[in-house]
Amino acid sequence: EPEVTQTPSHQVTQMGQEVILRCVPISNHLYFYWYRQILGQKVEFLVSFYNNEISEKSEIFDDQFSVERPDGSNFTLKIRSTKLEDSAMYFCASREGRGSYNEQFFGPGTRLTVL
Amino acid sequence: AQSVTQLDSQVPVFEEAPVELRCNYSSSVSVYLFWYVQYPNQGLQLLLKYLSGSTLVKGINGFEAEFNKSQTSFHLRKPSVHISDTAEYFCAVSRAGGYNKLIFGAGTRLAVHP
Repeated sequence: EPEVTQTPSHQVTQMGQEVILRCVPISNHLYFYWYRQILGQKVEFLVSFYNNEISEKSEIFDDQFSVERPDGSNFTLKIRSTKLEDSAMYFCASREGRGSYNEQFFGPGTRLTVL
Repeated sequence: AQSVTQLDSQVPVFEEAPVELRCNYSSSVSVYLFWYVQYPNQGLQLLLKYLSGSTLVKGINGFEAEFNKSQTSFHLRKPSVHISDTAEYFCAVSRAGGYNKLIFGAGTRLAVHP
């Protein structure tokens, strides 16, 4: 069964460093999303991406964040200069986006720890 | 804007007992409603969804939920739980129509004891 994959599973970085979180969505999917979950808090929407551009972003998704689909398979989230408060679990999701409603499929997440 | 409230952060229950996980939502527009489950070290898996039609929806693993528009609720139920149901459960809402973002509740940790 096709699935969304994410690498790495755990990333530890120093404050101020850049990190890139990687996701491989399901191959025929058109819509891509990043969500995050700070420990003990809700899963929060960050950004959605369709047709090679951002379709919606939350107020969390400031200039420190960017997303990219550098090739036909990967979907990345870059945090330019990490802060302590960026420590969270980051989930990638994708959906087919054709026809009637179809669900978002989530990856297993990347746990980001900023020291 | 939409919001979701999950009324219980933790629900302990004995194996083979029934369980109800509560979810209320707030929205000024029509919404779709979802329940996701997260097992340890795994991603979020869709249990069931309500888009339209029958207010009682059945999902995987014997779970069901009932949409109640007047009470703005979407409670999740299972008549008899197993140890393997121990997980975190998230209620979520999205604006109806299109491929909109999900807005999640804080989650309910279901702990099934032998």
